[in-house]
Amino acid sequence: GQNIDQPTEMTATEGAIVQINCTYQTSGFNGLFWYQQHAGEAPTFLSYNVLDGLEEKGRFSSFLSRSKGYSYLLLKELQMKDSASYLCAVRKSNYQLIWGAGTKLIIKP
Amino acid sequence: DAGVTQSPTHLIKTRGQQVTLRCSPKSGHDTVSWYQQALGQGPQFIFQYYEEEERQRGNFPDRFSGHQFPNYSSELNVNALLLGDSALYLCASSLDAGQETQYFGPGTRLLVL
Repeated sequence: GQNIDQPTEMTATEGAIVQINCTYQTSGFNGLFWYQQHAGEAPTFLSYNVLDGLEEKGRFSSFLSRSKGYSYLLLKELQMKDSASYLCAVRKSNYQLIWGAGTKLIIKP
Repeated sequence: DAGVTQSPTHLIKTRGQQVTLRCSPKSGHDTVSWYQQALGQGPQFIFQYYEEEERQRGNFPDRFSGHQFPNYSSELNVNALLLGDSALYLCASSLDAGQETQYFGPGTRLLVL
């Protein structure tokens, strides 16, 4: 079967660092995406990994281990505006995206 | 550079009615994918249109149908609406049948009473 798991909710403090994990089991793999979604809005693209390792983009970094079926999104220097849901999505060999349920991140002052 | 647009933004229908949602892709994109997102859940793939044809379909009944026009814009039609069809409907555009990153429109929030 196909399964993508993320924690339902996480809480962190403004200025701190948080790591959001994603584990997946899918038939075929052609990349992993992270999207941010503020309440009531559409998802916006954050990062893409297709090879193992770390991709850094400003305050956000994403890591992938294909052998472990594992990824994480690392957010540094947290700001209040980072309060949102973070969605992990795996792209299958046929380019179809399979989505996790999302992790709601709450930032406290 | 215009992003993905969707209309309407909100819609209220009653059970048994039919609805049509519209999407215009980002400039230069030729592929449109439709998703249904229930509250607190990730998007669920409905189908994808490329070159005016339905290329892939998720696990949705035939009540859900669509179309893509020569200008790459797309429509999602849902017949015989059920209460469970209440959700945020998202359109995402990309290039080359989804080989590139998908960019989302603002969504249409559908409420079925």
